[in-house]
Amino acid sequence: KNEVEQSPQNLTAQEGEFITINCSYSVGISALHWLQQHPGGGIVSLFMLSSGKKKHGRLIATINIQEKHSSLHITASHPRDSAVYICAVSKDSNYQLIWGAGTKLIIKP
Amino acid sequence: ETGVTQTPRHLVMGMTNKKSLKCEQHLGHNAMYWYKQSAKKPLELMFVYNFKEQTENNSVPSRFSPECPNSSHLFLHLHTLQPEDSALYLCASSRQTGMNTEAFFGQGTRLTVV
Repeated sequence: KNEVEQSPQNLTAQEGEFITINCSYSVGISALHWLQQHPGGGIVSLFMLSSGKKKHGRLIATINIQEKHSSLHITASHPRDSAVYICAVSKDSNYQLIWGAGTKLIIKP
Repeated sequence: ETGVTQTPRHLVMGMTNKKSLKCEQHLGHNAMYWYKQSAKKPLELMFVYNFKEQTENNSVPSRFSPECPNSSHLFLHLHTLQPEDSALYLCASSRQTGMNTEAFFGQGTRLTVV
């Protein structure tokens, strides 16, 4: 079992829908990262959080440390949000990131 | 644009070829990383350099040879690769290798070994 699990693996939705991507982890962490990878390959960091909630535009990330769970929400989704969303955690024992397998999101117009 | 630039974006090489991947950042970061991303698998950390010194080598085969001449440049030298080495190779940099440091990624080099 992977130390970082994401669900769903694939998600297709219509433009305008509210999107939720989940990440669960089984190790002690110092921070959790959400990243976005577009079809071209480049990865962009969206959020880094260790507690509570962060918001940036239409993106919201939450984390529940006790439950070892984080969610990434997208409001008013748009086709340009189509990408792979990756969850990664920094273990509290060292700086290396442990990566989830990613969630492939497709938003249809 | 993340400030991390990788070249080339695409590379096709034979198993007997020697090629190099290049990564460059002018963000003033001191740590640089090479990752491998194979289809439908999580990213795998290959190498970490901190202040030009290699601090991590995650059991990477010797046919991959990194070089960090200065804090702004990172190379991955490739020789006698196998078809299973075909993947997206991503470079990243961060201010330091601390636990809560945000990493910035390049666009990646899509490598195909034939």
